[in-house]
Amino acid sequence: AQSVTQLDSQVPVFEEAPVELRCNYSSSVSVYLFWYVQYPNQGLQLLLKYLSGSTLVKGINGFEAEFNKSQTSFHLRKPSVHISDTAEYFCAVTLNRDGKIIFGKGTRLHILP
Amino acid sequence: DGGITQSPKYLFRKEGQNVTLSCEQNLNHDAMYWYRQDPGQGLRLIYYSQIVNDFQKGDIAEGYSVSREKKESFPLTVTSAQKNPTAFYLCASSRAGEADTQYFGPGTRLTVL
Repeated sequence: AQSVTQLDSQVPVFEEAPVELRCNYSSSVSVYLFWYVQYPNQGLQLLLKYLSGSTLVKGINGFEAEFNKSQTSFHLRKPSVHISDTAEYFCAVTLNRDGKIIFGKGTRLHILP
Repeated sequence: DGGITQSPKYLFRKEGQNVTLSCEQNLNHDAMYWYRQDPGQGLRLIYYSQIVNDFQKGDIAEGYSVSREKKESFPLTVTSAQKNPTAFYLCASSRAGEADTQYFGPGTRLTVL
């Protein structure tokens, strides 16, 4: 069965600094990978997804992620964070587009002034 | 505006009472989902429905029930059999065959006293 591990439960970073949120997945077959964002007291919103093709995926709000099959990773990056990026970020995986999504436990991003 | 609505935003119930959480979508999506979110646990799938009048158990279905009589509605009942019902509940929907891209409602925070 597939699973996803988010290595950091919380990440503090200064405003305008770069950030990387780490995600590793476990699966013996090809997978689809996603990052969702949850702003305080709201539902989740899709940031970006990797289905196939280019391993560098660009999403909304200046975020991007790189699929690395050899390291089974899908880390999320942003070159310069803003206070409005304060949220919880979830990595997710699925084996097929019609199946269940397995979510990681989330990483809280704290932006320091 | 198209989207998913969940009501109420906050709900309080006494222990031993059943309670029904509402989820309505006007996106014309075939599939709908219910998740439970607890601090540090990420999202866990309770039930999902890929078509009207059909639904499947997710990973933590015990103590919950659902119905899908209309395409736009997918209510969740938290029964007295659910041993730890206090949580944040999220409803989502997606197009058929695109479970990877789910649209989430704002959530209902249930507190059982």
